[in-house]
Parts: sequence; C-alpha cells; structure tokens
Amino acid sequence: AQTVTQSQPEMSVQEAETVTLSCTYDTSESDYYLFWYKQPPSRQMILVIRQEAYKQQNATENRFSVNFQKAAKSFSLKISDSQLGDAAMYFCAGGNKLVFGAGTILRVKS
Amino acid sequence: SAVISQKPSRDICQRGTSLTIQCQVDSQVTMMFWYRQQPGQSLTLIATANQGSEATYESGFVIDKFPISRPNLTFSTLTVSNMSPEDSSIYLCSVVRQEGTQYFGPGTRLLVL
Repeated sequence: AQTVTQSQPEMSVQEAETVTLSCTYDTSESDYYLFWYKQPPSRQMILVIRQEAYKQQNATENRFSVNFQKAAKSFSLKISDSQLGDAAMYFCAGGNKLVFGAGTILRVKS
Repeated sequence: SAVISQKPSRDICQRGTSLTIQCQVDSQVTMMFWYRQQPGQSLTLIATANQGSEATYESGFVIDKFPISRPNLTFSTLTVSNMSPEDSSIYLCSVVRQEGTQYFGPGTRLLVL
C-alpha cells in the first residue's frame, strides 16, 4: 500500500466487550497483503492477523477478525471479548513493502 | 513464524559516534528489511537488505548514514553513522516468510546524547 490511514488515535473498551479499529488504505498493487500488528509496551511487533487481498473471505484468528472491503479499501479489526492483555498500540499495515498506519492506542477498562 | 534476534537490545551513545545493530534469523530468508520507529511514531522503512548486492534505500535514507550489510540469508547489520539526538529511535529488522507474512525482531532502542 502506498498510504495507510488509521483515523482513531485512541480507543477504549470495557473488558469482555467488543471493539473495532478502523483502517483505510490506498494502493496501486493488484495483489497484496494486509496486516494488523500489536505493539505492547515492550515494543515487540506482534502479528495479530493477516488478509490476502485476493481472498474475499474475512480472516479470523480466535477473538480477532477483520472486515475487509476491497472496493472501499477498508480493513478494520474487530476484537471480541476484550481482555486486559489486549491493551496496546495497534498498527494496520499493507503492501508488499509494508507501509504502516499511524497506530491506534487501545485501552481496556476493567 | 520466525525467530529473530537483534543485538544490542538497547544502547546509549554519544553524538558523532556510530552503532552497528545485528539481526539474526533462525532460518534462511530472501527478504529482510530495516525499519525505524521514532518516539511516539509509527514504523518507517529504511531499506531492503539484499543478499549479495547493495541495499535498496527508501526516500529520505542514504547509504552513508545507514550502511547495511547482508553477507548471507540469515544475517544482516545496520549501522547508524555519525549519530545525532534525532537518531534516537527503535530500530527493527524484519523478514518475510514464504507465505508473505512479515515478522519483526525485538528491536534495538537507541538513545543518542
């Protein structure tokens, strides 16, 4: 992707609730991957979920799922049953040479 | 996934000096990258480390400032040269696995005084 936009600098969710993080992108590539990464205070970049652009089916990994709308160039992340350990910075990224969004800080309230 | 290690994990350096960061992967990979994450910012790609040839740098990054070596398919180094406080960042290496997923090392936290 040439540009990746995360319009939510910060989000909060109550423990056990569901939250959706937004991401839009722009690319001229015909085949590409999209990712969500989590960065806790340790600064380690942890892969949360990935989506191949040629697949219409939305990716799911346990409590994490995406809503991939290729025509709208939208790639949102839904976290279900939020846990305290989900609190972190979340980055959306895409393209064959990864371009990152600005990130969304997720806070989880107990 | 991939097991990626970086050395050093953190360092404090004086301005004008240089620091070389090492990245080691547990198996051979074709694509290896170096990123910078400035304080409070997102990740920015510095360069693609090419095995057997010169690294490919992104706009705004030059070889004289960030020389990169890639002697084999499991190892790469990034040098931050003639450092200034503006170079204080986290530097991360990453690799791409065959399925197209990019995995990151733990990062090197650099503080330049």
